[in-house]
Amino acid sequence: EPEVTQTPSHQVTQMGQEVILRCVPISNHLYFYWYRQILGQKVEFLVSFYNNEISEKSEIFDDQFSVERPDGSNFTLKIRSTKLEDSAMYFCASRLDQPQHFGDGTRLSIL
Amino acid sequence: AQKVTQAQTEISVVEKEDVTLDCVYETRDTTYYLFWYKQPPSGELVFLIRRNSFDEQNEISGRYSWNFQKSTSSFNFTITASQVVDSAVYFCALSEWNRDDKIIFGKGTRLHILP
Repeated sequence: EPEVTQTPSHQVTQMGQEVILRCVPISNHLYFYWYRQILGQKVEFLVSFYNNEISEKSEIFDDQFSVERPDGSNFTLKIRSTKLEDSAMYFCASRLDQPQHFGDGTRLSIL
Repeated sequence: AQKVTQAQTEISVVEKEDVTLDCVYETRDTTYYLFWYKQPPSGELVFLIRRNSFDEQNEISGRYSWNFQKSTSSFNFTITASQVVDSAVYFCALSEWNRDDKIIFGKGTRLHILP
């Protein structure tokens, strides 16, 4: 069964550095999402993406965040200048119809 | 506004007991989806079930069953004859039935199944 793939599984970055989290959605899917889960807390919506543009974003998704689908297969989340509070698990999801299919997540640790 | 409440933060039961995880939701939409996800210690989100708001039939899948009651805005999840492998955090979630269907998650219930 096709899967959403996220790389790396764990990313360690110094505070203030830029980080790019990568996702390969399922190939025929059209809708793409990023979610965040701070350790021990609930999963929170960050952004949805459709037809090469952001459909909706949450309050968390400020100017430090950006998303891109550069080549028709990857879907990336960039954090420009990381802060300690960006440490979390980041989940990518995609769908054609319902439901959304989630990747296994990237654990981001900011030092 | 949409909201999902899982009042049980943590539950411990002895193996083979039945356990019910409660979920209450709020939405102004008449059409929506409800979900349950399992998050084992390894951290991934495992999809368990999706129901749409038109379908109030209860569902059973092996030891798992779900009770959807629109009248009380609840979507409870029961594990029958629990096993140690059921130990995980379980999230109830809600999304609108439209193009941009972000999923709103509850805070989760951490379930411990004791041997």
